[in-house]
Parts: sequence; C-alpha cells; structure tokens
Amino acid sequence: ETGVTQTPRHLVMGMTNKKSLKCEQHLGHNAMYWYKQSAKKPLELMFVYSLEERVENNSVPSRFSPECPNSSHLFLHLHTLQPEDSALYLCASSQGQSGGADEQFFGPGTRLTVL
Amino acid sequence: AQSVTQLDSQVPVFEEAPVELRCNYSSSVSVYLFWYVQYPNQGLQLLLKYLSGSTLVESINGFEAEFNKSQTSFHLRKPSVHISDTAEYFCAVSDKGGSEKLVFGKGTKLTVNP
Repeated sequence: ETGVTQTPRHLVMGMTNKKSLKCEQHLGHNAMYWYKQSAKKPLELMFVYSLEERVENNSVPSRFSPECPNSSHLFLHLHTLQPEDSALYLCASSQGQSGGADEQFFGPGTRLTVL
Repeated sequence: AQSVTQLDSQVPVFEEAPVELRCNYSSSVSVYLFWYVQYPNQGLQLLLKYLSGSTLVESINGFEAEFNKSQTSFHLRKPSVHISDTAEYFCAVSDKGGSEKLVFGKGTKLTVNP
C-alpha cells in the first residue's frame, strides 16, 4: 500500500450506533488530519495531530472522538451521530514541520450516511 | 482569521477552450497559497502552490496560477483544457510560519464538454 488509505470507503449507521473510521499513511509523515467535506461547504478541518499529539480541535462535537496511537495511524470514533453528520470524511497527512508550507496528502475518504 | 472565496461554484467549458478559476483570499498575515484538485471518488491532490519567489507557478499538466498580492488573488488558468481536467478545484491558504492548518474555499466544479 502506498500513500494514505482509509477504511471503510462507505459506512451507513444509525444514530445510536458506534463505529470507527481508520486512516493509515505510508509516507513517514509526522502530521495527520481529519476533514469533513459536505456538499456546498468548504472543507472543514476537524482535528490535527502532530507527532501523535493533538494540536488542533476545531470545536468539533464530542460525538466525534479522534485517536492517534502512532504516527502512521489515525482513527475517528463515532457515537450517537446526527443525520447532519452525513458527509465525506477525509484523512490527510504531511511532513508537518514546515510552518504551513507542506503539501497535504489525502486519502480517498469515507462516505458516511447517518440514518 | 483567514478566508478563501471561490466565486464560481461551477464552470462548464468546451474541450480545448481556455479556463480561469478564480480565488481570492483574506488574511492579516503573509500566506502560502495552494490549489488542490479532486477527481470523482478520490481525495484531494496538490496541483500547485505558491510559497515565495516568482509569482507565477505552474503544474506539470499545464495549469498555472499567479499570486497577486495587491488584489489578494491566486487565480488558476489553463490555455486549453481536456476532458480529463473535469474535476473539482479547491483553493487553500495557510499562514507563513504558522501551524499546518489549511483553510479551503468551497471549490469550483470544472466540467469539460466535448
């Protein structure tokens, strides 16, 4: 596997379910990100991890819980979601040490539908 | 706080026609500027970026963008588009010397028709 991979690619869940999204990067990067992409809205940055430490949490509801066990893996744990949480969730990674100049490498995303 | 405005949500063009996708940004500090492209059912990929130096930057597939500080713009152009350029294009900005946070525009969907 190369680049950034995400599983599952599609997920349908009820509002009372608990599920997790997984992201893995094979690029040796130090920073990882979760974004939410909804129709007709800009990409919303949710969380940033740098060297496995959370450095940004953009006022994301607590029903989204990130976990970064090591620099290659990032999870997004989901529980008691709402229908408006339906979106494409994108994971990205970067070198993370260039003060904003780095290219971010994106995975293909997980298409989440909350019923 | 930074913001990015992409005025055109959709741009339809014919194959081999020129195209310009507009991007304006707002920031109180110096910035880096990026264009990312998203093909159907894929994640975003970097198309080109401006960090410093020459204000005109080019991609390997014929796109170019020019940083205009006075107009706070970073418009993307291509003189002759192909069907394969059909995708969504996102302009993004980050603080120079700041965190790794990228702020994106809403995107412009480019559709190239035969």
